[in-house]
Amino acid sequence: ETGVTQSPTHLIKTRGQQVTLRCSSQSGHNTVSWYQQALGQGPQFIFQYYREEENGRGNFPPRFSGLQFPNYSSELNVNALELDDSALYLCASSLWGAAQTQYFGPGTRLLVL
Amino acid sequence: QKEVEQDPGPLSVPEGAIVSLNCTYSNSAFQYFMWYRQYSRKGPELLMYTYSSGNKEDGRFTAQVDKSSKYISLFIRDSQPSDSATYLCAMISNTGNQFYFGTGTSLTVIP
Repeated sequence: ETGVTQSPTHLIKTRGQQVTLRCSSQSGHNTVSWYQQALGQGPQFIFQYYREEENGRGNFPPRFSGLQFPNYSSELNVNALELDDSALYLCASSLWGAAQTQYFGPGTRLLVL
Repeated sequence: QKEVEQDPGPLSVPEGAIVSLNCTYSNSAFQYFMWYRQYSRKGPELLMYTYSSGNKEDGRFTAQVDKSSKYISLFIRDSQPSDSATYLCAMISNTGNQFYFGTGTSLTVIP
């Protein structure tokens, strides 16, 4: 059984650029959630994907978007990067309806200059 | 008012001590209550989850939920230096598609 993996591990971008982060779910998990964790803060829920559709969304602007693929892997896209987007981006996977047992990946650390 | 409030600490205890970590919340519709442990530069790791008011025990860890007071706790018995980490409480909405985390409490267990 493979765990949740994320790529890349680190990324440096400049303000205004666009970024794509990737996540592979734990084997058998069909639901993916994305979180933003700023330094010294708890994770903030961005959105959740199930059956390739966004199923729930936190308080994030539309420039944060996502995709889920038939193999349940997922992407997080952020357009028009701002300095405040610098954070650890976490992906978590679970079975549908069992988010209380979601498993997190190691995260992608994004720095926006 | 934040949905979930958690004292960030830091908290420093001697090895073997009992640790109490707490969170309060404002939304009475929260359905599941979770505790995660996060080591530096790693993703959160699920420790325990509870669904209703009451206690749940797993080894040295006990999770407690008091829905009437909107208050949850995690107790760690016989704390070990390896327990040094940030502990995050988290909650799921009754719709199952909104997630809320506390800011995390930094714990150091001194040998």
